[in-house]
Parts: sequence; C-alpha cells; structure tokens
Amino acid sequence: AQSVTQLDSHVSVSEGTPVLLRCNYSSSYSPSLFWYVQHPNKGLQLLLKYTSAATLVKGINGFEAEFKKSETSFHLTKPSAHMSDAAEYFCVVSSTGFQKLVFGTGTRLLVSP
Amino acid sequence: GAVVSQHPSRVICKSGTSVKIECRSLDFQATTMFWYRQFPKKSLMLMATSNEGSKATYEQGVEKDKFLINHASLTLSTLTVTSAHPEDSSFYICSVLGFATNEKLFFGSGTQLSVL
Repeated sequence: AQSVTQLDSHVSVSEGTPVLLRCNYSSSYSPSLFWYVQHPNKGLQLLLKYTSAATLVKGINGFEAEFKKSETSFHLTKPSAHMSDAAEYFCVVSSTGFQKLVFGTGTRLLVSP
Repeated sequence: GAVVSQHPSRVICKSGTSVKIECRSLDFQATTMFWYRQFPKKSLMLMATSNEGSKATYEQGVEKDKFLINHASLTLSTLTVTSAHPEDSSFYICSVLGFATNEKLFFGSGTQLSVL
C-alpha cells in the first residue's frame, strides 16, 4: 500500500521569503512522486515529477523538490515566495506512473505582502 | 490554455435526481480518463478509470451502479451520479491521459455537486 503524509495543512510565508512544504511517503515499490498545485477554479497543475532519475527535481515557477529515500521524504521548496504562489499544494505518490495516483491531504500556502 | 474542459463547474440538485458531469480533452485524444472525488480538507480519492470503448474500472468501495461512467469517444467521458443523496455532495475532478502528451496527466477544473 502507498500513502503520503503532508505534515502541514497550512503554511504562511511573507513574499520574498523561502517556502518549504513537507511531504513524507510510504511505498512498497520504487515510487514515482509528484507535486501538484491547485488554484481556485482551476485544474490541478503538475509542478514537478520524480521517477528515479536525479534526486533533486526542478519544476516550474522556481519550485524544486528533493527525493530522500533514507527519510522517505519529498519536500517542496522555493527560494523566494511570490504572491501568485498562494494555492493548495498536493504531494502525490504512485507505483504505476499516472495510473493510480495517491494524493496527500494538501497544504494551503498563504503568502502575505 | 486549458486542455481539459469539465462541465458544469457547479451544480445543485434535489435528492433523488441524477446529475451528469462531462469531461472533454480539447487538444488531444485521451487513452484513459480518471474520475476523482475530493472531500473538504481531504485528499483526492480515485473513483474509477475509464478507457475509450470499454467498461470503467472502479476502485474498491465505489458503487458502479451509482456512479455511471461512459467513455464513448476519445475526447469525452461522462460521470453520472444517479439518484443523488446529500452524502454524494462533493467536489468531483476528472483527469486525462493522452496518447502523445509525453506521459502528462491533465486535470479538469472540477465540479462542485451539492445535493439538497
């Protein structure tokens, strides 16, 4: 069985400060890991994807995540938050590519001026 | 622009009625479409997987007679919530996996269903 745990339901940062959204996963197989972002009234958008290549994955909009097998973590980071980053972020795990995605409960990122 | 169109975005219906939700891929042919359900403050839960021209595969615990899925063409899948009850109120999201989209999965913007 697979699962993901997003450790924070809400994260608040000031514009221009670093962002850290935490995710731990559990998987019996070599997992694929994803981060998706959900803006209000918009579909989920893929930020980045890890599939057993480089452990540091760079995504869109300046986000990146590091796969740490020893810690079973896949935290999402960004050096400097922008107001437009305010959204809901989902950590996702799968052992079968896109076929059976298992979503975390989401982290709402709030960015203040 | 959006590559997946999901309609309606919001629907309110009376208990006992049926509601149809459409999911269309706009720029490509979809091999597979997925339907998810999202409860408030909860993660998305996969309900079923549908492939064009074949019966949908439902996840454990999802009633196939209640949530009817039709994937009649390579660009359209529909989810019909039959005899809706208040407990069916939820946010439903479709996603689409295309033939030639470099293994990218595209999500619709979701449908908020409220059953009175």
